[in-house]
Amino acid sequence: GAVVSQHPSWVICKSGTSVKIECRSLDFQATTMFWYRQFPKQSLMLMATSNEGSKATYEQGVEKDKFLINHASLTLSTLTVTSAHPEDSSFYICSAAGGGQPQHFGDGTRLSIL
Amino acid sequence: AQSVSQHNHHVILSEAASLELGCNYSYGGTVNLFWYVQYPGQHLQLLLKYFSGDPLVKGIKGFEAEFIKSKFSFNLRKPSVQWSDTAEYFCAVKLDNQGGKLIFGQGTELSVKP
Repeated sequence: GAVVSQHPSWVICKSGTSVKIECRSLDFQATTMFWYRQFPKQSLMLMATSNEGSKATYEQGVEKDKFLINHASLTLSTLTVTSAHPEDSSFYICSAAGGGQPQHFGDGTRLSIL
Repeated sequence: AQSVSQHNHHVILSEAASLELGCNYSYGGTVNLFWYVQYPGQHLQLLLKYFSGDPLVKGIKGFEAEFIKSKFSFNLRKPSVQWSDTAEYFCAVKLDNQGGKLIFGQGTELSVKP
């Protein structure tokens, strides 16, 4: 069964609103969580790495004020897309690692901004 | 910059045909190598991984991959594919100095005709 739960699986919202995506590790303590973005027919691009209790490390070109990441506990990380616009529409995937576990991936969240 | 290249974007095979998907990476240091599969509508799942030791690794569902260090390659193989192998396949590399983050190839879509 799934060891990483991602919610919501699909969200549609108006331009200018903020959207929060949750990523939960169900069976283990995730000391590190990763957030990826996937465009259609393309690869997963790492956006940021978050370690529990510390600030996320963003990849080059990713706006930290646009994509807010919080990893306040060993089982939960959130990604908030602030003031979302149509160009932010994409498939967002989280993964979690820790306690000797390899990275386990969530099912992804399809974000559509109108 | 480090990168992972998958040569085939879309492969179409008939059932029982043999499969080989290419993966090359550009990095001169120590790497861990992975193949993930994403079935339609599902999350990424680990097929197999290579950390060290025997360069020929066997994974789930009859898949195997061979690490050839001199060629910077980690090709995925299966002697006889089934219709249920239809999916997207991603090669990924974890570098030894990057805190666990994965660099993904662009993916290969495999379609198996019954």
